[in-house]
Amino acid sequence: QKEVEQNSGPLSVPEGAIASLNCTYSDRGSQSFFWYRQYSGKSPELIMFIYSNGDKEDGRFTAQLNKASQYVSLLIRDSQPSDSATYLCAVKRFGNEKLTFGTGTRLTIIP
Amino acid sequence: AAGVIQSPRHLIKEKRETATLKCYPIPRHDTVYWYQQGPGQDPQFLISFYEKMQSDKGSIPDRFSAQQFSDYHSELNMSSLELGDSALYFCASSLRVELAGGQETQYFGPGTRLLVL
Repeated sequence: QKEVEQNSGPLSVPEGAIASLNCTYSDRGSQSFFWYRQYSGKSPELIMFIYSNGDKEDGRFTAQLNKASQYVSLLIRDSQPSDSATYLCAVKRFGNEKLTFGTGTRLTIIP
Repeated sequence: AAGVIQSPRHLIKEKRETATLKCYPIPRHDTVYWYQQGPGQDPQFLISFYEKMQSDKGSIPDRFSAQQFSDYHSELNMSSLELGDSALYFCASSLRVELAGGQETQYFGPGTRLLVL
């Protein structure tokens, strides 16, 4: 079992709708949580980070963290075709430098 | 804003050859990380450096070594290359924030695509 689990998709969402991406993690020592977007052949691009339980909003993006359930999610409102990419969930344990990534969810926004 | 710079962007090597990848972090960033991403896989952490000292180590083969220099740039040296080393190699950088408890955000460079034939 991977430390960070994501549905690989593909997840297809109509343009203008809400895309919901989910991530679970197994290490209860995880402290920091990140969502990266990666286009094919390109580098991961930071979308959001969240450290505390609850919701964090940034423009069309909302990250949700529930440490008790070891669950992180990313909501994308008013989805655009340019949002079509692979979304990587990454976690960081206190005291460690490394990010541990999930396998990513491939999101396709349908015009 | 300045980003992480990696060179070369593409590299083709034969088996058993050596390769050196370079990474120039975002200005004022003091921590550098190296990740390897195989086709269809998630990035795997290799190694990191803070203030020129190794700060964490992941699944880096013994054939690989890395260091961070006084100007904070880093080099990943890969020897006795194997076909399985073909991958995207990303460098990321961050600024260490004392007492932040590991909340530093890593920013990734464009990557070096290595092909071993």
